[in-house]
Amino acid sequence: EVELVESGGALVKPGGSLRVSCAASGFSVSDKDINWVRQAPGKGLEWVSAAYSGGGAIYADSVRGRFTVSRDTSKNSLSLQMNSLTADDTGVYFCARDGDNAGYMFDLWGQGTLVTVSS
Amino acid sequence: SYVLTQPSSVSVAPGRTATITCGGDNIETKSVQWYQQKSGQAPVLVLYYDEQRPSGIPERFSGSYSQHRATLTISRVEAGDEADYYCQVWDFSSDHVVFGGGTKLTVL
Repeated sequence: EVELVESGGALVKPGGSLRVSCAASGFSVSDKDINWVRQAPGKGLEWVSAAYSGGGAIYADSVRGRFTVSRDTSKNSLSLQMNSLTADDTGVYFCARDGDNAGYMFDLWGQGTLVTVSS
Repeated sequence: SYVLTQPSSVSVAPGRTATITCGGDNIETKSVQWYQQKSGQAPVLVLYYDEQRPSGIPERFSGSYSQHRATLTISRVEAGDEADYYCQVWDFSSDHVVFGGGTKLTVL
């Protein structure tokens, strides 16, 4: 079955760090661009990052310098390392596959993992 | 930064046609994607590259441009179509993915 499964969401204090992961099955993360999209409670979708299959990543202005994406091909997964977290980073974090690399059309989404930043 | 504007809500009776718009500067020059998100669930791609439907998406879902806005049209609306709908583009000038604010579709 082709799917994405996120994990690692938690309650973290402001200024803290957290690493969330996205495990893929049914396809190789080495072959597809994977994006992170988040959704604050009761709000809309906000793009966070794109990790390109050929290497490299880009980030939204709101997280650049604080968030870093990495790929673990041995586990067929990606991770999003989040540092210097603030309340504005609270939300459900989804990973999403770009069905047409650099086409930015997200044809497969995980179920999301909840990150809560609060003291 | 590039902004996509959607109406916050649209209401339609079952069996009628729902139209959800997405406005942005020169949006006709961009490829638009549309996502459906039901309550408590992950988004689902319903249209890509303006008007292409992924496998499994009914023909009732279609895309077009009108009056400088991208449009998602849902024909013969069903109760199961009730959801939030988001448009999305890639903005070359900023190298960012941009989502619209979302439209809540209510089936009366």
